[in-house]
Amino acid sequence: KAGVTQTPRYLIKTRGQQVTLSCSPISGHRSVSWYQQTPGQGLQFLFEYFSETQRNKGNFPGRFSGRQFSNSRSEMNVSTLELGDSALYLCASSFPAGQPRDEQFFGPGTRLTVL
Amino acid sequence: GDSVTQMEGPVTLSEEAFLTINCTYTATGYPSLFWYVQYPGEGLQLLLKATKADDKGSNKGFEATYRKETTSFHLEKGSVQVSDSAVYFCALTLMGRGSTLGRLYFGRGTQLTVWP
Repeated sequence: KAGVTQTPRYLIKTRGQQVTLSCSPISGHRSVSWYQQTPGQGLQFLFEYFSETQRNKGNFPGRFSGRQFSNSRSEMNVSTLELGDSALYLCASSFPAGQPRDEQFFGPGTRLTVL
Repeated sequence: GDSVTQMEGPVTLSEEAFLTINCTYTATGYPSLFWYVQYPGEGLQLLLKATKADDKGSNKGFEATYRKETTSFHLEKGSVQVSDSAVYFCALTLMGRGSTLGRLYFGRGTQLTVWP
């Protein structure tokens, strides 16, 4: 069974640009969560989607947005990039409904560098 | 609020030494507890989990026991190997309500380096 895949793996952007990251969950998983990992702040929760609906959102500005498609694939978008957005962005999926006992399976991450 | 506190390290050990990484939590409810491991350049992998008090999670020689009375979930391994060098994260999730759905609360991570 294929794991969680994230594309692209590496990305370099300049300040003010926008970026879209993609996440394909494990087949059959319907919940997708996104996290930002930085050396200074550690792992921070961005948002969670289930059945194309955002059910939960972390404490990030509105420049960070996401969506989920009917096949459970998810994208996150960051507009007007800032230097501080440089981070590893991790996506995780779970089955069947993102309940606490459900293990979250992580992808390898997308390394975003903002210059 | 809900949070996880773990020793930040770095922790440096010789091969075959005993490992303990402390983790305590604060939670409004009954959390499930996890240890994740991150190898260089990779995402997170679940190492072990426990979903109720007194449960012991174990995997690859690592163990952790869910202690409700001390709100702790310390990670232990009797004999570490060079291949165990990685960053270890303690995490919790809570029974579903709006602000906790699909969310893991992570500690800051502990860098472990094992020398041969």
